[in-house]
Amino acid sequence: AQRVTQPEKLLSVFKGAPVELKCNYSYSGSPELFWYVQYSRQRLQLLLRHISRESIKGFTADLNKGETSFHLKKPFAQEEDSAMYYCALIWGNTPLVFGKGTRLSVIA
Amino acid sequence: KAGVTQTPRYLIKTRGQQVTLSCSPISGHRSVSWYQQTPGQGLQFLFEYFSETQRNKGNFPGRFSGRQFSNSRSEMNVSTLELGDSALYLCASSRWGTTDEQYFGPGTRLTVT
Repeated sequence: AQRVTQPEKLLSVFKGAPVELKCNYSYSGSPELFWYVQYSRQRLQLLLRHISRESIKGFTADLNKGETSFHLKKPFAQEEDSAMYYCALIWGNTPLVFGKGTRLSVIA
Repeated sequence: KAGVTQTPRYLIKTRGQQVTLSCSPISGHRSVSWYQQTPGQGLQFLFEYFSETQRNKGNFPGRFSGRQFSNSRSEMNVSTLELGDSALYLCASSRWGTTDEQYFGPGTRLTVT
């Protein structure tokens, strides 16, 4: 079965430090990968998807098929980046499979 | 445009009862998906409806069912509630399905006592 693993439940970084939220998946095909984010008291929302290759709010994510990873990165963390981040995967018409999430806390 | 709405926002039910949750998608969205969110299991897919037809179903018992109406509004029903059904139930809508950006509702918090 497809699986998405986010190894860190909580990640704390200082403001201005680089951030890397890890995501590994277990699927040998060509899945589509997403990062969703939930800020405090807000709804879960799409942050970025790998096919668009966009940088959203300074975040980027590169799909590494060899390592089956889709880590989310930002060079300089801001306090407003504090949130819950979910990596998700889909292949074909299968439903979205979410990782269990990583809570990012940016310390001033 | 108005976002996804879910009603009710909070529910307290007793074991053995049944419950119906409602989701109104964004206008023009034909796909509605339901997810169960718990601290232990995270976000788990329940089912997806598109144009009144169930297109995908997750690994949940038959006590969990859903439907979609011609206006794309969707309901999910849980019969014979168990304590383990206590969770946040999220609904998400999109134009064509789960490969599109999912727009999530605020969720319905169900507590089973």
